Amino acid sequence: DSGVTQTPKHLITATGQRVTLRCSPRSGDLSVYWYQQSLDQGLQFLIQYYNGEERAKGNILERFSAQQFPDLHSELNLSSLELGDSALYFCASSVGDRITNPGELFFGEGSRLTVL
Amino acid sequence: GENVEQHPSTLSVQEGDSAVIKCTYSDSASNYFPWYKQELGKGPQLIIDIRSNVGEKKDQRIAVTLNKTAKHFSLHITETQPEDSAVYFCAASYQKVTFGIGTKLQVIP
Repeated sequence: DSGVTQTPKHLITATGQRVTLRCSPRSGDLSVYWYQQSLDQGLQFLIQYYNGEERAKGNILERFSAQQFPDLHSELNLSSLELGDSALYFCASSVGDRITNPGELFFGEGSRLTVL
Repeated sequence: GENVEQHPSTLSVQEGDSAVIKCTYSDSASNYFPWYKQELGKGPQLIIDIRSNVGEKKDQRIAVTLNKTAKHFSLHITETQPEDSAVYFCAASYQKVTFGIGTKLQVIP
C-alpha cells in the first residue's frame, strides 16, 4: 500500500459528460501529480501541484482541469469527454518540490475511466 | 521539454538470465533518474533510482548505470525470477518527471 488513495477505481460514462477523479496523497506529502496511461502507452504527465499551487504542466487538454485543496487532496476534472479519453488515470505524491527535493513518487492504484 | 526514449518495448528472458533495459533523455538539466515497476492492475512502484552525481548504483539483483555525457541510463536485472515479470518504466526528472514508454519484461520459467 503506497498510502495514496484514488477514487473511484472504475468509472463508466458517456461521451460529452463530465467526471471528477479524486486523490488523497500520502500523509505529509505536499506534491501531487496526475498521469494518464492509455492502452499500450506510457505514463503521460498531466499536471503537478505543490502545496496548493500549480507547479508544472504537461500535455493536459483544455477540457481537463485540476486543483489541490488546502487539505492537500486533489481533484482532476475531465469534461466534454471523448472516446479517446478512456484511460487509466494515476495520481502520485511526493514529499517536496521536484527541483529542490527530487525523490520517489508514490502512486495510487489508478482510476480506470471508460467513455462509451 | 524533456523526452525519454526507452527500449526494448518487450523483452523475454529465461529464468536465471540477465535483462537489460536502456533509456536516453534529452534535457541536460535532468538530475534524478528513477526506475519503476508496474505489476498488472497496480500503480508503478519505485525499484531503484540514481542521481546525476552518481555513475552506478546497485541493490541486490538490480543495478542502474548513468552516463551523463551521452545522456543515457540503463537498468540491469541479474538472475531473473518469474516474479520479475512486469512493465518497467524509466524516468528523468528536473521539474517534471517524464517517463519512458515502458518495457514489458517476461521471465520464462
